[in-house]
Amino acid sequence: GAVVSQHPSWVICKSGTSVKIECRSLDFQATTMFWYRQFPKQSLMLMATSNEGSKATYEQGVEKDKFLINHASLTLSTLTVTSAHPEDSSFYICSASRWRGQGEKLFFGSGTQLSVL
Amino acid sequence: AQKVTQAQTEISVVEKEDVTLDCVYETRDTTYYLFWYKQPPSGELVFLIRRNSFDEQNEISGRYSWNFQKSTSSFNFTITASQVVDSAVYFCALDGNQFYFGTGTSLTVIP
Repeated sequence: GAVVSQHPSWVICKSGTSVKIECRSLDFQATTMFWYRQFPKQSLMLMATSNEGSKATYEQGVEKDKFLINHASLTLSTLTVTSAHPEDSSFYICSASRWRGQGEKLFFGSGTQLSVL
Repeated sequence: AQKVTQAQTEISVVEKEDVTLDCVYETRDTTYYLFWYKQPPSGELVFLIRRNSFDEQNEISGRYSWNFQKSTSSFNFTITASQVVDSAVYFCALDGNQFYFGTGTSLTVIP
């Protein structure tokens, strides 16, 4: 199966700092990558969809200036949480697909636990 | 509207028991896909199965089986002879024009 690597697995940062999370597709080219946020014992909430070489599409209620997404290549997307605050503490997980069509499997990274002090 | 409901938030079973995880969905699409993913404590979501709306055949894969019934808009997942390694959160998902995840069912298998 396809492998998606997400790094770091966990990060602790001070309030006001920025944190970058990387999502890499290791053995396939990912035209589309997705970023999710998951609160404890809750489902995955889609934050944004990124297509290689174009601007990300953010879901309603997600601040695009706070959660910067870059998908500069077919194997790498990054999520930068800018000026992080404690309420940004959460589990962030990325997924990738070869192409975005109905029914296409999503392959997930192992997630990043962000704790903002 | 698209929606996935997993009414069971937490289930505990003793090892070797069978367990069924329920999934009910809503969609107006005539063509759609349903998925099950497993999220172990490590966090990564692991793909288990994909089923398209035109294929109502049940599927069995080892100890796992899935029952898809369009008449009741359900796509239930059964684990036979459960094992401790099956302990995880299981998500049902619907792919119409967007991927929708259910709220997940946390399964604990007690040795």
